[in-house]
This record gives sequence, C-alpha cells and structure tokens, in this order.
Amino acid sequence: DAKTTQPNSMESNEEEPVHLPCNHSTISGTDYIHWYRQLPSQGPEYVIHGLTSNVNNRMASLAIAEDRKSSTLILHRATLRDAAVYYCILRPGPLSGGYQKVTFGIGTKLQVIP
Amino acid sequence: DAGVIQSPRHEVTEMGQEVTLRCKPISGHDYLFWYRQTMMRGLELLIYFNNNVPIDDSGMPEDRFSAKMPNASFSTLKIQPSEPRDSAVYFCASSLARAKGYTFGSGTRLTVV
Repeated sequence: DAKTTQPNSMESNEEEPVHLPCNHSTISGTDYIHWYRQLPSQGPEYVIHGLTSNVNNRMASLAIAEDRKSSTLILHRATLRDAAVYYCILRPGPLSGGYQKVTFGIGTKLQVIP
Repeated sequence: DAGVIQSPRHEVTEMGQEVTLRCKPISGHDYLFWYRQTMMRGLELLIYFNNNVPIDDSGMPEDRFSAKMPNASFSTLKIQPSEPRDSAVYFCASSLARAKGYTFGSGTRLTVV
C-alpha cells in the first residue's frame, strides 16, 4: 500500500489560511489522493479528493503537484472548529485491480489559535 | 440516511471475555472496512469486505480476531478471548465505490481490564 508523509502537528491563527502538506512520492497512476479530518471523539470525516487536477469544495481546496508526488490541503480561513487531525491517504482507483488496503496513520494535528 | 451505525459506543470487559462489535453500513455501499485506532499506531486497517466477501484480512492482529459480513447491511468484529492490549477505538467505514470517499461510523471505544 502506498504511503504518505505528513507533519505531526501544525499551528494556525484563526481566520488565516492554512496549508497542510502531504508527500506521496510512491503514488501510482491509479491512486486517488484523499483527505479526511477527525474531530475529538468522532470518526474521520471525508474532506476532499482528487486525481490530477486541483479540486475545490465548500470545505477546502486540494492542490496537487504536477508530478503528483505531493499535495496540499488548503483551508481558506481557519476557524476554531477546524482544529482536528487531518489525514492524507492514497486510495487505489477503479483501474487498480480492486486492492483497497489503506492505512491512515497518525495524520497532522492542526491547532487553531484564537 | 443515518450514516454508518456502530454499536456499542463504549464497551468495558474483563480480560478473557468475548467481545462483539457491530456495524451497519450505508445502504447501497459495496465496501466495508474495519479500522483500529490507537495513539501509537494511528488508524490501522484490520479487514475489508467487497460485496460482503472478505478481501484482505492481513491487518487482523491475531487469530483471536475475526470478522463477518453475513449480508449487505450488517458486519461484526469479534475478539475472543480479549486482552488489555486490544483496548482501542474501533471504527467501521463504508464506501460506494473505490474512488469515492469513506464514511466512518462514530466508533466503539473498547477497554479490556
């Protein structure tokens, strides 16, 4: 299973943009880049995913490097409710032959400072 | 939709006892995953099913762990006998298709004393 590397923790001031990095140098051509976040005492929550192009939704933006070996989750204006653990994972796509073993690891703990 | 439903939310049991965790996935989802979360190892995949069939159980730590999915709307994770090192939060997740996002349940916090 392809691995990702994230910083253990990051800090951001409230109402400022946050850029959460993820390295995935062993990504294969059929892997989708997914981001999830986990609030305290809750299960992980889907945030966004993409394959090659940058993606935007109401929660965040996903910027994918041209070589796909790294990506960045962008929260445009951090709020206190964004304080959570953020996970970057690689999920095999439909052309991968069905293999779906994905481990989330430790993730990045984001602290938002008022 | 009520989302992925797990029960119980909390379980405290004595070492050596059998523990059964339950999961109801979102209707229509064809993948179901069982994860275990600890401070040291983060979220680890234990086993996953596709169309009710177990596909990869290489993450199951020992023979004491077993999982079943008798139908598309129900899955169980059983630990027999339980040990203190099994204490963790166990999550169930389901997905509609390989490229889509996972939907996680709220988890079961297991404490084995």
